[in-house]
Amino acid sequence: QKEVEQDPGPLSVPEGAIVSLNCTYSNSAFQYFMWYRQYSRKGPELLMYTYSSGNKEDGRFTAQVDKSSKYISLFIRDSQPSDSATYLCAMSAKVLRGQNFVFGPGTRLSVLP
Amino acid sequence: SQTIHQWPATLVQPVGSPLSLECTVEGTSNPNLYWYRQAAGRGLQLLFYSVGIGQISSEVPQNLSASRPQDRQFILSSKKLLLSDSGFYLCAWSVRGVEPLHFGNGTRLTVT
Repeated sequence: QKEVEQDPGPLSVPEGAIVSLNCTYSNSAFQYFMWYRQYSRKGPELLMYTYSSGNKEDGRFTAQVDKSSKYISLFIRDSQPSDSATYLCAMSAKVLRGQNFVFGPGTRLSVLP
Repeated sequence: SQTIHQWPATLVQPVGSPLSLECTVEGTSNPNLYWYRQAAGRGLQLLFYSVGIGQISSEVPQNLSASRPQDRQFILSSKKLLLSDSGFYLCAWSVRGVEPLHFGNGTRLTVT
């Protein structure tokens, strides 16, 4: 079993739709959870950062973490064509030196006007 | 605010040639620094990370090396490039132990 699994996509939705992106993981030591957005030929951009279980909202984006199920989600409301990108989930466990970041393979999202 | 600079943006090099990619971070001190490679359609592969000047940890044995000559400078090198070294190379930083990664805009390397 891979340490982090992510819905493969690609995902195409009409403008204005609610998008749900999901990841599952196997390592119960993960404490920090991140979502990145990556446009073509650019570096990943941090969208959301959460610690432990619960919800976090930032504008049209909501990140949800369920540590008991080892499941995280990113919801995008009122999706826009500018949201078309690859979304990467990431998680980490604090270790003595540095941090151990593990990334999902990414889900490519297309929002059609 | 913190910024990360990575250059060049694109690079085409022949097999067997040397490589040097540079990354610098501004606006923070003592960052953790990372080099990742992203192959097409695949996830991010951690190559090296550094917790301080001269301290390099290698995650994957390969044809590449890294150095950190200054606190906010991280260099990825190779003496002789292979075709398999082609990919998208990303530098990243984080505040030690508590903050998420922040990425540069990457270098797209094509080895011909």
